[in-house]
Amino acid sequence: NAGVTQTPKFRVLKTGQSMTLLCAQDMNHEYMYWYRQDPGMGLRLIHYSVGEGTTAKGEVPDGYNVSRLKKQNFLLGLESAAPSQTSVYFCASSTRGYNEQFFGPGTRLTVL
Amino acid sequence: RKEVEQDPGPFNVPEGATVAFNCTYSNSASQSFFWYRQDCRKEPKLLMSVYSSGNEDGRFTAQLNRASQYISLLIRDSKLSDSATYLCVVNGGTGGFKTIFGAGTRLFVKA
Repeated sequence: NAGVTQTPKFRVLKTGQSMTLLCAQDMNHEYMYWYRQDPGMGLRLIHYSVGEGTTAKGEVPDGYNVSRLKKQNFLLGLESAAPSQTSVYFCASSTRGYNEQFFGPGTRLTVL
Repeated sequence: RKEVEQDPGPFNVPEGATVAFNCTYSNSASQSFFWYRQDCRKEPKLLMSVYSSGNEDGRFTAQLNRASQYISLLIRDSKLSDSATYLCVVNGGTGGFKTIFGAGTRLFVKA
């Protein structure tokens, strides 16, 4: 099993550009999460999903959108990237909420 | 006040030492607690779950103190390979779905 995978691993954007980050899990987990991690701060929850076709806002949702059309995939979109969105983005999944989360390897995004 | 707080460190300890980290949380209704380990430029990985009755896994012991609202991690006989950032996670509580990561405590184990 691959676990949780993320694509791409690295990306550089210019301000105003858009992009989509893809997360895939092969563990049949119901819950999926998107986090961002910035220096000196813990992982902050952007959006999460409790099952196929559902999404919900986390702690820092502004500037991001998500979709979960298939149970195994969770997409994070940036419609108009800003330098403040420069960060490392991690996707995670779990069997249920509040259980152990399994993380993908992360995407390093730089917005110039 | 942050909902979950950790001493950022760094903790610099010699091999073989015992080191302890604490993590305080503010929401008394929190439901589940974990310690994760994160190596430089890598993803977090689960170290262990935390229970009121305590949880021990080899050299690692985790404890939850609900009355004082903190969790702890004790590492005995530190190894060079224990050098990493340790993140506490507090889940649940009032105000909807919550999963809150601490900012992490950095540990350096030196020969």
